[in-house]
Amino acid sequence: AQSVTQLDSQVPVFEEAPVELRCNYSSSVSVYLFWYVQYPNQGLQLLLKYLSGSTLVESINGFEAEFNKSQTSFHLRKPSVHISDTAEYFCAVSDRAGGYNKLIFGAGTRLAVHP
Amino acid sequence: DVKVTQSSRYLVKRTGEKVFLECVQDMDHENMFWYRQDPGLGLRLIYFSYDVKMKEKGDIPEGYSVSREKKERFSLILESASTNQTSMYLCAAGQPPPGGYEQYFGPGTRLTVT
Repeated sequence: AQSVTQLDSQVPVFEEAPVELRCNYSSSVSVYLFWYVQYPNQGLQLLLKYLSGSTLVESINGFEAEFNKSQTSFHLRKPSVHISDTAEYFCAVSDRAGGYNKLIFGAGTRLAVHP
Repeated sequence: DVKVTQSSRYLVKRTGEKVFLECVQDMDHENMFWYRQDPGLGLRLIYFSYDVKMKEKGDIPEGYSVSREKKERFSLILESASTNQTSMYLCAAGQPPPGGYEQYFGPGTRLTVT
């Protein structure tokens, strides 16, 4: 079965600093990968996804993630964070076992941006 | 955009009560999902449905049941609530392959069982 490991439960960072949130998944077979963001007291919103093609994918608010098949990783990066990026971030991988389209989520990384 | 709504943002129930959590989506998506979210554990799948009246167990179905009588509505039922079911419950909707694979989430229901 698929599994997702987010290596950091919390990441504190100062405003305008770069950040990397790490994600590794278990399977080396063809997968689809996602990053979701959850702002306080809200549901999850899709931040970006990798389905195929370019291994570098970007979001509209400056985040990017790179699919690395050999390292089974999908790390999320932003060169300069804002206070408004404070949220919990979840990495997810598709699981098509049994013919159903399910997502397996990591435990989440809480990003805290300080002024 | 897909909109997923959940009937309550906050709910407080007593041990042993029967609890209904309702979820409605407005984009005609085939698949619907119920998760619970607990600190340090991420999201865990309780049940999902790929069609009306069809359901599949997820990773933690014990103590829960579901109902999908209409395509847009997916209900989670706690037959006899217990304190260990205190959690955040998230509903999601999505398309099956070859759809986009992503899921769209509701705002969540924070359930407290006392």
